[in-house]
Amino acid sequence: ETGVTQTPRHLVMGMTNKKSLKCEQHLGHNAMYWYKQSAKKPLELMFVYNFKEQTENNSVPSRFSPECPNSSHLFLHLHTLQPEDSALYLCASSLGVGSGAKNIQYFGAGTRLSVL
Amino acid sequence: KQEVTQIPAALSVPEGENLVLNCSFTDSAIYNLQWFRQDPGKGLTSLLLIQSSQREQTSGRLNASLDKSSGRSTLYIAASQPGDSATYLCAVSVTTSGSRLTFGEGTQLTVNP
Repeated sequence: ETGVTQTPRHLVMGMTNKKSLKCEQHLGHNAMYWYKQSAKKPLELMFVYNFKEQTENNSVPSRFSPECPNSSHLFLHLHTLQPEDSALYLCASSLGVGSGAKNIQYFGAGTRLSVL
Repeated sequence: KQEVTQIPAALSVPEGENLVLNCSFTDSAIYNLQWFRQDPGKGLTSLLLIQSSQREQTSGRLNASLDKSSGRSTLYIAASQPGDSATYLCAVSVTTSGSRLTFGEGTQLTVNP
């Protein structure tokens, strides 16, 4: 148990559906992240939030809409996705966003998303 | 654009063997390098973090080295155990903020009893 909880663990949705992924951290961290892990591709950063403010958007299509209401919760709202968006979506949190050891990222178990 | 490559993609060894996983990166302007472990159905767990000014870090049976100028890192696992079976990922931080990590595709390790 890393202290980062993601729900649901598995999600199947059609291309016209709207769904949301949820991430919650109980570590007292201030930064939260969304990553995408596709088959046979490296883990890819999508968004970074620090103190609820978005600080990184890695050119993610607008059909992915993040929301960070507070430092403990992060959502990823999904709409009109494509089959190629099927992947493992991982959430992470860290104390801060500096490059020092105290800002190591802690990951949740991920949501396995299948888009039909 | 930073690219991270991990070799081999998969490795199978008998229990008790010492082994080395390799990671290379194309741009030596990094701030730190991390090794993560990913178990099936679980997220990533950070194993070791090496700052750009450091040469190596050790934690138990794990030792990670960094040669920033040549763009290489190795993860040495001593006396491997079946419980070490997992995918090992290497990631480099390319910004001072530390938030932008570039990952390799990983090495899938199987340690056979």
